[in-house]
Amino acid sequence: QKEVEQNSGPLSVPEGAIASLNCTYSDRGSQSFFWYRQYSGKSPELIMFIYSNGDKEDGRFTAQLNKASQYVSLLIRDSQPSDSATYLCAANNAGNMLTFGGGTRLMVKP
Amino acid sequence: AAGVIQSPRHLIKEKRETATLKCYPIPRHDTVYWYQQGPGQDPQFLISFYEKMQSDKGSIPDRFSAQQFSDYHSELNMSSLELGDSALYFCASSLAPGTQYFGPGTRLTVL
Repeated sequence: QKEVEQNSGPLSVPEGAIASLNCTYSDRGSQSFFWYRQYSGKSPELIMFIYSNGDKEDGRFTAQLNKASQYVSLLIRDSQPSDSATYLCAANNAGNMLTFGGGTRLMVKP
Repeated sequence: AAGVIQSPRHLIKEKRETATLKCYPIPRHDTVYWYQQGPGQDPQFLISFYEKMQSDKGSIPDRFSAQQFSDYHSELNMSSLELGDSALYFCASSLAPGTQYFGPGTRLTVL
């Protein structure tokens, strides 16, 4: 079992809809959680990070963390075709190394 | 804003050859991380350095070594290359222990 798990998708949503991406983790020692967006052949690009229980909003993006359930999610409002990419959830430990989930491929259809 | 710089961007090597990848972190970042991403896979942590000392070690093969220099740039040395080493190699940097920002990557192809 991977330490960080994501549904590989693809998750297909129509343009303008809300995309909901989910991630679970097994190491209760993980302190911070990150969402990266990665276009094919490109490097991971930081979208958001969260380390406290609850919601964190930044523009069209909202990250949610529930440490009791070991669950992290990313909501993308008003999804655009340019949001189509693979979204990587990552957790870090005390040493700050990142453990990634397998990524969820998001497809936003015009 | 300045980003992480990696060189070369593309590298083609034969089996059993050696390769050296370079990483220049964001200015004032003191921690460098190396990740390997195979086709269709998520990035796997290899090794990290903080203030020129190795801080964490992941799934880095014994054939690979790395170091961080006094100007904080880092080099990943890969010897006895195998076909399975073909991958994207990303360097990330942070102001420890903060958020990691990734470089554009080096695509290594081993023939």
